[in-house]
Amino acid sequence: GQNIDQPTEMTATEGAIVQINCTYQTSGFNGLFWYQQHAGEAPTFLSYNVLDGLEEKGRFSSFLSRSKGYSYLLLKELQMKDSASYLCAALDSNYQLIWGAGTKLIIKP
Amino acid sequence: GAVVSQHPSRVICKSGTSVKIECRSLDFQATTMFWYRQFPKQSLMLMATSNEGSKATYEQGVEKDKFLINHASLTLSTLTVTSAHPEDSSFYICSARDGGDSYEQYFGPGTRLTVT
Repeated sequence: GQNIDQPTEMTATEGAIVQINCTYQTSGFNGLFWYQQHAGEAPTFLSYNVLDGLEEKGRFSSFLSRSKGYSYLLLKELQMKDSASYLCAALDSNYQLIWGAGTKLIIKP
Repeated sequence: GAVVSQHPSRVICKSGTSVKIECRSLDFQATTMFWYRQFPKQSLMLMATSNEGSKATYEQGVEKDKFLINHASLTLSTLTVTSAHPEDSSFYICSARDGGDSYEQYFGPGTRLTVT
């Protein structure tokens, strides 16, 4: 079966760094997405990785290891507005997105 | 660019009535649209995938006769919840893909449905 695993909840301090991990098992693989979702709102796109390595975009970076079926989202210089759920989603061989359950990130002052 | 709108943003209806939700891609042609449902504190659940001009593909456990999807044009898809019941109360979100090399999904703002 297809499966995405990510922690249910994480807590971090304002100004610090946090890494949200995601492991995936899919039939085929065509890339991995990270989305941010604030409570009561729709998800917004953060990043897409299809090749191994780190993609940096401002305070957010995303890493992929295809051989390990592993990705992480790194958030630096955390701000209170970063409190949200972070969704990991893998694109399978049919180009369908397989969604993780999301990681709720709580930022404390 | 890549803006998706949804209407209405909130709707309250009585049990037994039907509700139609519209999803529009405003500045691109959406060859594929997706409908999701999200219950409080849970992840997105894909309900169905629709391609313009063809019948929607429903996920297992989603009743196609209850959740009618029409993807009549490259910029509009509608979801009709027929004979709604309180257990259908949820956050319904559509997303769209433009059919290019990017498989990013652009999400609408969502519709919160409350059935009384």
